[in-house]
Amino acid sequence: ETGVTQSPTHLIKTRGQQVTLRCSSQSGHNTVSWYQQALGQGPQFIFQYYREEENGRGNFPPRFSGLQFPNYSSELNVNALELDDSALYLCASSLRDGTYEQYFGPGTRLTVT
Amino acid sequence: SQQGEEDPQALSIQEGENATMNCSYKTSINNLQWYRQNSGRGLVHLILIRSNEREKHSGRLRVTLDTSKKSSSLLITASRAADTASYFCATAPSGGYQKVTFGTGTKLQVIP
Repeated sequence: ETGVTQSPTHLIKTRGQQVTLRCSSQSGHNTVSWYQQALGQGPQFIFQYYREEENGRGNFPPRFSGLQFPNYSSELNVNALELDDSALYLCASSLRDGTYEQYFGPGTRLTVT
Repeated sequence: SQQGEEDPQALSIQEGENATMNCSYKTSINNLQWYRQNSGRGLVHLILIRSNEREKHSGRLRVTLDTSKKSSSLLITASRAADTASYFCATAPSGGYQKVTFGTGTKLQVIP
């Protein structure tokens, strides 16, 4: 069974640029959630995708957008980067089977300068 | 915004001692989960307790849930240096989608 993978591991971007982060779900999982974790804080829910459609969104502006592909891999796109976007971005895959258990990837550390 | 508040924010104990962390939350839940995070990397799911359960065990972990007080505790018995990590509680809402909301975390240090 393949675990959740994310790429890249680290990324440095300049304010105003755009970034795409990628996530490969655990085999068989049809739901992916993205979280932003600032230093010293708990993860904050960005949004969730189920069967390629956004299925819930946290308190994040529209410049945070995502995609889920037929193979259940996913992308997080952030436009017009701001300094406060510097954080660890985590994706988590799960099955919509009522267990709510999520399997997290190792995260992408984004630094905006 | 964070759903849960965890207490204490940081905890330092000797190897072999027990560690207790508490979590309080604000809204009705379907279940509450505890996760561990090592060195700011990915989270690992530890245990899930449903809203109709009061206590659950998994190895050296014991979780309690009091829905009337909207609180939960995680007890790690006979701690080991490898338990050094940040621990987060996370709640899933009653009804709706699987949005899981995390607390602020407790940083545990186990001294060998």
